[in-house]
Formats: sequence, structure tokens, C-alpha cells
Amino acid sequence: NAGVTQTPKFQVLKTGQSMTLQCAQDMNHEYMSWYRQDPGMGLRLIHYSVGAGITDQGEVPNGYNVSRSTTEDFPLRLLSAAPSQTSVYFCASSPGLAGLNEQFFGPGTRLTVL
Amino acid sequence: RKEVEQDPGPFNVPEGATVAFNCTYSNSASQSFFWYRQDCRKEPKLLMSVYSSGNEDGRFTAQLNRASQYISLLIRDSKLSDSATYLCVVNMTGNNRLAFGKGNQVVVIP
Repeated sequence: NAGVTQTPKFQVLKTGQSMTLQCAQDMNHEYMSWYRQDPGMGLRLIHYSVGAGITDQGEVPNGYNVSRSTTEDFPLRLLSAAPSQTSVYFCASSPGLAGLNEQFFGPGTRLTVL
Repeated sequence: RKEVEQDPGPFNVPEGATVAFNCTYSNSASQSFFWYRQDCRKEPKLLMSVYSSGNEDGRFTAQLNRASQYISLLIRDSKLSDSATYLCVVNMTGNNRLAFGKGNQVVVIP
């Protein structure tokens, strides 16, 4: 099993550009989520999904969209990049509810917005 | 009050010594508690869950104090490979959201 994979590993954007961060898992997990990690702060939840076709907002959803058309994939879209979105983004999956189960994280995407 | 608070350190620990740190949480209704380990520029990985009765995994011991709303992690006989950031993680409203602390950075010195 590859586990949770994320692409790209690194990305530089200009302010106003849009892009999609890809996340896929091959563990047949129902729950998937996106976090951002900034220096001096804990991981913050952006969006999450409890199954295909179901998504919900986390703590910091503004400026991001998600969709979940399959169990395996959970892409994160930046609509119009801003310097405040410079961060490391982690995708995670778990076999059940996040509060009760181990989270499996992808390797992260390091995004810089100029 | 922040949902999860940790003293970021760093905690400089001589090899072979014991180090312990706490994490406080704000939601008295939280039911699930975890410690994750994050190596530099890597993703977090589960170290251990924290149970009400406390639990031990080799050199690592985790404790939960519900009355004072904190959890603790103790590392005995520290190894160089224990150098990492240890994240305190607590479930929040319902069971769909986790709150992460900033982490305790541990540096084991030869």
C-alpha cells in the first residue's frame, strides 16, 4: 500500500493564481481531511469529508474548496492564492471518525505564494 | 484559552535521560487523546493513544488527568532517534474534529 500520497511536493504561486493540491489514499478509508501547518501554530483543519459525496468545513475554510467524488481522492482547490496561504498542507485519512481513529498523513505539500 | 496548549521548548535532553512534558486542553467534554510524533519536515505519525488509566509503550508513558485537563508524555532512556516534535492531539466537538497543539520539540544530545 502506498498509503496517503500528495502531489505536488513543492509549489510556488503568484498572488491570484489558482491551483489544486492532489491527495489520494489506497486504504479504503472513509474519512479524509486537509490541514495546514504554519510556524508556531498547530495543524489547523481546513475541510474534511466523511465519505464520497460528503464534505464539510473545518476551522479555516476560507479561500479553499474541496470535493469528494470517490473514496480514494480528496483534492483541495485554492481559488485565488494569497500570501497568507503560504504554508505546508497535509492531507490525512482515517478508517473512521477523526476523533476516534489514527490519522494517516501524506508527506505534505509546501506552498509559497508570492 | 487555546484548545490545546503545549510549551514548544526546545527540550534539550542528554542521551539516556528522562524527559516529560504536559499538554493542557480546554474542552472538558473531550474523550480522545493522542500523542503524534513529527520529524523535521515530515508528516505527523501516531505515537500512542492516551487512555484514562494511562498507558505505556516501551520507553514511552502517557497519562491523562481529566480533573486538571492535561495529558502528559514521559520518555525514559532517551535515544538520539527520539529527537522530534511531539504533538498533543485532542478531539473537539463531536468526533469529527481534532485540535493539535504546537508541539514539544525534543532534542536529544549525545
